[in-house]
Amino acid sequence: GNSVTQMEGPVTLSEEAFLTINCTYTATGYPSLFWYVQYPGEGLQLLLKATKADDKGSNKGFEATYRKETTSFHLEKGSVQVSDSAVYFCALPYSGNTPLVFGKGTRLSVIA
Amino acid sequence: DSGVTQTPKHLITATGQRVTLRCSPRSGDLSVYWYQQSLDQGLQFLIQYYNGEERAKGNILERFSAQQFPDLHSELNLSSLELGDSALYFCASSVVGTGRDIQYFGAGTRLSVL
Repeated sequence: GNSVTQMEGPVTLSEEAFLTINCTYTATGYPSLFWYVQYPGEGLQLLLKATKADDKGSNKGFEATYRKETTSFHLEKGSVQVSDSAVYFCALPYSGNTPLVFGKGTRLSVIA
Repeated sequence: DSGVTQTPKHLITATGQRVTLRCSPRSGDLSVYWYQQSLDQGLQFLIQYYNGEERAKGNILERFSAQQFPDLHSELNLSSLELGDSALYFCASSVVGTGRDIQYFGAGTRLSVL
């Protein structure tokens, strides 16, 4: 089945720094790709998604581009805030229409 | 608020016991998923239901079982509990349960087995 690998954390940044969290995938075909975020004490919530190659998902200043050449879906934000401190998960369907498989998560801490 | 409700929020029990976790999906969602989140294993998919029927099974132990009822709420039953079952259990729901669906997560049930 499909799989995803994302960079290990934790990542600690100062406010207004640039963020990149790497995510690469192995997949048959071109599945939808997702980034979910988990804020402290909460469940996961969708941050952004892309459904086909070269699509760019964006939300709350975060962006990720579906790159089939490099099988990557890296998450970026130009200027992080303290409120962005959370755990970020890259995900894709295990195969076809089956449920998602998640990366191990990357914990981001942003300090003022 | 995701619209997915999980109860209870916290559960403390002893080894060998049995517990039931409950999930009410978002209004209109037909598919329910259960996940286990622990520090060492990360987020593990356990099982998925669609409109009352089991659709996909992941790393669910034989001691665990689940069902989805006609009103679409779901229950996860954990029996013969072991210390290693201590974790956060999340329920998620989606409209039809395909690979393109956005999943909406509840706030989770934290299970502590002592």
